[in-house]
Amino acid sequence: HVQLVESGGGVVQPGGSLRLSCAASGFSFWRYGMHWVRQAPGGGLEWVAAISYDGGTKYYVDSVKGRFTISRDNSKSTLYLEMNSLRAEDTAVYYCANQDKVGATTYWGQGTPVTGSS
Amino acid sequence: QLVLTQSPSASASLGASVKVTCTLSSEHSDYAIAWHQQQPEKGPRYLMTLNSDGSHNKGDGIPDRFSGSSSGAERYLTISSLQSEDEADYYCQTWGTGTVIFGGGTKVTVL
Repeated sequence: HVQLVESGGGVVQPGGSLRLSCAASGFSFWRYGMHWVRQAPGGGLEWVAAISYDGGTKYYVDSVKGRFTISRDNSKSTLYLEMNSLRAEDTAVYYCANQDKVGATTYWGQGTPVTGSS
Repeated sequence: QLVLTQSPSASASLGASVKVTCTLSSEHSDYAIAWHQQQPEKGPRYLMTLNSDGSHNKGDGIPDRFSGSSSGAERYLTISSLQSEDEADYYCQTWGTGTVIFGGGTKVTVL
């Protein structure tokens, strides 16, 4: 069955960096676009970034452009999110999700928390 | 601008039905959406993709109690025979070129 397992979250000071990973199994990772979605404490879901099946196309929400980088390693079935210049408002649980052929995110991980600390 | 609007809350009694509404911005009334469920302290779970004509495709293992329908720019999620485990937040999602949008979420309470 499909599994997405995020890791790499933690406590980070403003201006700091983190690299999140998402290990995928149970499906042909290399065939699917992938997404990062976050959820601030007590808030709703916010899309962060997306990457095409081959890594050739990437999209970001405006608030993270220039600070976050999405990437993937299809040989390792792993998705990444490099986060730099972190701000307090980046505090959230970060989920990875895969995308079906239509565009919906159909499988989700359990999330990894990123907490800003001053 | 692509926008999804949801009412903050809905409620119904155990065993009854509840209908959750997601409204697309008027110029995007033909867009498909997806519905996701998020139970307390859990990650989201995909329920279905819902097209403008009301046809829908459900995710793996989603009970028949969950169904979708459409009317104009509105997309609906109906949960029949409500069970206690259906108490959750429900989010609609849509997508365009280079962007993905979520609605603000609807908290469903089972009375």
